[in-house]
Amino acid sequence: AQSVTQPDIHITVSEGASLELRCNYSYGATPYLFWYVQSPGQGLQLLLKYFSGDTLVQGIKGFEAEFKRSQSSFNLRKPSVHWSDAAEYFCAVGAGHSTLTFGKGTMLLVSP
Amino acid sequence: NAGVTQTPKFRILKIGQSMTLQCTQDMNHNYMYWYRQDPGMGLKLIYYSVGAGITDKGEVPNGYNVSRSTTEDFPLRLELAAPSQTSVYFCASSQDRDASPLHFGNGTRLTVT
Repeated sequence: AQSVTQPDIHITVSEGASLELRCNYSYGATPYLFWYVQSPGQGLQLLLKYFSGDTLVQGIKGFEAEFKRSQSSFNLRKPSVHWSDAAEYFCAVGAGHSTLTFGKGTMLLVSP
Repeated sequence: NAGVTQTPKFRILKIGQSMTLQCTQDMNHNYMYWYRQDPGMGLKLIYYSVGAGITDKGEVPNGYNVSRSTTEDFPLRLELAAPSQTSVYFCASSQDRDASPLHFGNGTRLTVT
């Protein structure tokens, strides 16, 4: 069965510092991989996705993620965090939207 | 653009009551989904639809029903509310089954007491 692990429930980062959110998955083949962001009281918004090809994918708001098949990981990165990035981040894996498995989320706190 | 609209935003139900969560989208998407989000648990798929007249169960369908009579609307029905259905419910739509992003509504927070 497929699964997604986001090891960090909460992460606090200083504004301007770099960010890496971890995502590890278990899947029988190369999956579709997604990162979504959720601001308080809102639905989820897609940051980026990986289907195939270049393993480093660029997304919105200056985020990027790297697919590492050997490590079954799809970590999200941003070189310089802004206060507006404070939100909850979800990694998801699957073969299509109807089979997506979401991680439990990582709450990002940004300190001044 | 309205996108995906969910109503109501909040609702409190007594055990055994029924209600319908409304979801409508104005993007002409064929694919629509209902998720529930529980604290610390991520999102779980309840039901989905690939077009008008076609629905299918997701991971956690028990206690829920859906219908899809039009492309725009995808209501979720709770027939006999139970405390275990206390959750935040999200409706989403997508242009296709995998490549395009999911567009989410802002959610309905439901409490069953």
